[in-house]
Amino acid sequence: QKEVEQNSGPLSVPEGAIASLNCTYSDRGSQSFFWYRQYSGKSPELIMSIYSNGDKEDGRFTAQLNKASQYVSLLIRDSQPSDSATYLCAVGNDYKLSFGAGTTVTVRA
Amino acid sequence: GAGVSQSPRYKVAKRGQDVALRCDPISGHVSLFWYQQALGQGPEFLTYFQNEAQLDKSGLPSDRFFAERPEGSVSTLKIQRTQQEDSAVYLCASSLAQFVRRTMNTEAFFGQGTRLTVV
Repeated sequence: QKEVEQNSGPLSVPEGAIASLNCTYSDRGSQSFFWYRQYSGKSPELIMSIYSNGDKEDGRFTAQLNKASQYVSLLIRDSQPSDSATYLCAVGNDYKLSFGAGTTVTVRA
Repeated sequence: GAGVSQSPRYKVAKRGQDVALRCDPISGHVSLFWYQQALGQGPEFLTYFQNEAQLDKSGLPSDRFFAERPEGSVSTLKIQRTQQEDSAVYLCASSLAQFVRRTMNTEAFFGQGTRLTVV
């Protein structure tokens, strides 16, 4: 079992819709949780961090964390073509980040 | 510069050749990481430095891989006698956090990466 699992893609959503990305992790002692966006051929770009249970909103992005269920999600509201990318879930334990394989999102104009 | 800088951006090496990849972290960032990203996969941890000390090298695939950060700033990842399976993007990241104790704001920022192709 991989440490971090993401819902399989690719995910295709129409412009203006909500994109929903899910991630589960196996290490119950994990302390920090991140979503990175990676455009093709580019480096991962941090878009959200969350450390405690509940929701965290930043612009069109909302991250949700449920430590009891070992579950992290990312919602992208009002999806734009520029949101088309691979989204990586990363789970931190001390200094080490464990990444999922990523979910590729395509926003259709 | 404001971000993590890596060089070269692309490297083609013949099998058996040695390569050296450079990382300039964000100024003032104590922690530095190297990750390896294979095509279609998420990054995999290689090694971690806190200042000049290499505190974890458990992710290095073999003893052909060696990393250093002698002055606690610039880091070099060296791969000796490259093999085809070493072909990947090598990402460097840095963080302000020291990870000495549980701290908030442990965000890590990645460089553009070096794409290594071994032929």
